[in-house]
Amino acid sequence: EAQVTQNPRYLITVTGKKLTVTCSQNMNHEYMSWYRQDPGLGLRQIYYSMNVEVTDKGDVPEGYKVSRKEKRNFPLILESPSPNQTSLYFCASKREGGANVLTFGAGSRLTVL
Amino acid sequence: EDKVVQSPLSLVVHEGDTVTLNCSYEVTNFRSLLWYKQEKKAPTFLFMLTSSGIEKKSGRLSSILDKKELFSILNITATQTGDSAVYLCAVEASTSGTYKYIFGTGTRLKVLA
Repeated sequence: EAQVTQNPRYLITVTGKKLTVTCSQNMNHEYMSWYRQDPGLGLRQIYYSMNVEVTDKGDVPEGYKVSRKEKRNFPLILESPSPNQTSLYFCASKREGGANVLTFGAGSRLTVL
Repeated sequence: EDKVVQSPLSLVVHEGDTVTLNCSYEVTNFRSLLWYKQEKKAPTFLFMLTSSGIEKKSGRLSSILDKKELFSILNITATQTGDSAVYLCAVEASTSGTYKYIFGTGTRLKVLA
């Protein structure tokens, strides 16, 4: 089944404890991106990647890192999480060109205490 | 600054009613406008619009784009309780070979039996 898989789906952690949210897609999509969703603010883009080894900042990149070493994986790294990073995170991917649309993962709900 | 504004923020209707959701945008280098439905999980794709005046239809849902006035509407006729969800509008914009998605904050629709 074609899908975007995120892990973990739920996580409670403490301030300063490094964590990684993994994202993997099996559709051979070139484009991948991370969003956070907060009440009243909608979906905001954190980072995106046009292809392997090509990443760029979105609208809210502070406090996050990403890497794109392989086409299928796009992990989101929080080096030193803080409570303001408590949010619902979505990974999404898309094939380049044409009438192709973003396909979203199921979401990862992160709580930082 | 690019922005996408959706209205109303929330809406409560009864089954059988027709609803119209609005999305206006101010985005540089517009490529497409997308509608998604989100029911407590990942957004799922509804429509992609690129040309003005061409209605996209899927069952009871339809959408149209006006690129001159910079807005789109999503219509749902004969609403059902299963239509209860948050409806997201997003605009895809491209710049120098890269592209990004700007999301509105969504319209929360509740359909009462």
